[in-house]
Amino acid sequence: DAGVIQSPRHEVTEMGQEVTLRCKPISGHNSLFWYRQTMMRGLELLIYFNNNVPIDDSGMPEDRFSAKMPNASFSTLKIQPSEPRDSAVYFCASSSTGGGQPQHFGDGTRLSIL
Amino acid sequence: GENVEQHPSTLSVQEGDSAVIKCTYSDSASNYFPWYKQELGKRPQLIIDIRSNVGEKKDQRIAVTLNKTAKHFSLHITETQPEDSAVYFCAASFSGPTNKLIFGTGTLLAVQP
Repeated sequence: DAGVIQSPRHEVTEMGQEVTLRCKPISGHNSLFWYRQTMMRGLELLIYFNNNVPIDDSGMPEDRFSAKMPNASFSTLKIQPSEPRDSAVYFCASSSTGGGQPQHFGDGTRLSIL
Repeated sequence: GENVEQHPSTLSVQEGDSAVIKCTYSDSASNYFPWYKQELGKRPQLIIDIRSNVGEKKDQRIAVTLNKTAKHFSLHITETQPEDSAVYFCAASFSGPTNKLIFGTGTLLAVQP
């Protein structure tokens, strides 16, 4: 079974540039989560979707961040314009619906903003 | 609001010893408690989970216990091995129909050979 697939695995870009991170959840999973991980802040939930609908985006740090889920098999997290403090590892996770389900994480995107 | 506290933040043990990591949650309606292991540069991986209708669950060298009254749950690793060295995260489900998990801040476990 293919797990959660994220791309790119690594991204290095200059500040001010637009960054787009991509995620394909596990087939059949109806919930999708975007996390950011840094040494200082640990694992932060940015936004999550149920059945392609954003449920809670209170973790999105600022208006420069946006996320979409146009269909059940694809989601994007966009940062525009990017800043050095956005440097982190961004994980996507998916789970089945119904309360109390495990989340399965992708391999993450390591983002460096110069 | 919802919160999960995890202790200790770092733990160093000798190979063969046991390791215990403890978490406390705030939402009394939480009913699902997974544990994740994250090796350096890798993704968090589910290693064991427990639901609120069970007090203890064991899988080989790892076990999880849950005290609903005190809102505590713990991870126990016996006969630790160097490959157990990683960051361990506890999590608790958020009440309601969503699958949101609230994660602890992580424990860096170092197993000294």
